Amino acid sequence: GENVEQHPSTLSVQEGDSAVIKCTYSDSASNYFPWYKQELGKRPQLIIDIRSNVGEKKDQRIAVTLNKTAKHFSLHITETQPEDSAVYFCAARAMDSNYQLIWGAGTKLIIKP
Amino acid sequence: DTGVSQDPRHKITKRGQNVTFRCDPISEHNRLYWYRQTLGQGPEFLTYFQNEAQLEKSRLLSDRFSAERPKGSFSTLEIQRTEQGDSAMYLCASSLVGQSIDNEQFFGPGTRLTVL
Repeated sequence: GENVEQHPSTLSVQEGDSAVIKCTYSDSASNYFPWYKQELGKRPQLIIDIRSNVGEKKDQRIAVTLNKTAKHFSLHITETQPEDSAVYFCAARAMDSNYQLIWGAGTKLIIKP
Repeated sequence: DTGVSQDPRHKITKRGQNVTFRCDPISEHNRLYWYRQTLGQGPEFLTYFQNEAQLEKSRLLSDRFSAERPKGSFSTLEIQRTEQGDSAMYLCASSLVGQSIDNEQFFGPGTRLTVL
């Protein structure tokens, strides 16, 4: 079955700098890759997603890139702000498990003022 | 509020007691998931339903846990003979799944269970 690994587990960046979080997946047939943000004490919320027929997607300061050959995808946040501090989760939709999402372990992003 | 709702938001119970949580998904969503999340960890899959059918249950899930979605709408998660290790946030999510439809999962606020 699908397995998703996420790195780093904690990332600390200076406000205004960029942050990059990386995930790898094992099932080459996976075709949908969402990223969720979970602020302290709140529910996870989708911030961006990408399908396997696209290599990059951007939404303001957030972008996701996908390398199907290498089976990895990354979240890029530019011009980081204090409100970006949260835990970020990547996930992959495994084709052999009935549209179920397989989740990474999460990255705690800390924005230093 | 047309989002996913969960009840109760907090539950404190004594070890050995039974607890039941409820989740009301977004009305047109056909899929409903239950997850467990502990501090510093990602959501851990417990089980999910497609309409009223329970399609998968985590192999790691104790048989003290049971879930139902009798009419394909709201769902309940029951934990029998609770243990301290059951203390966690229990998250419910729903999505609309189909061959050409992306399955963004919308999460509820969670039920925080504390077992004393």
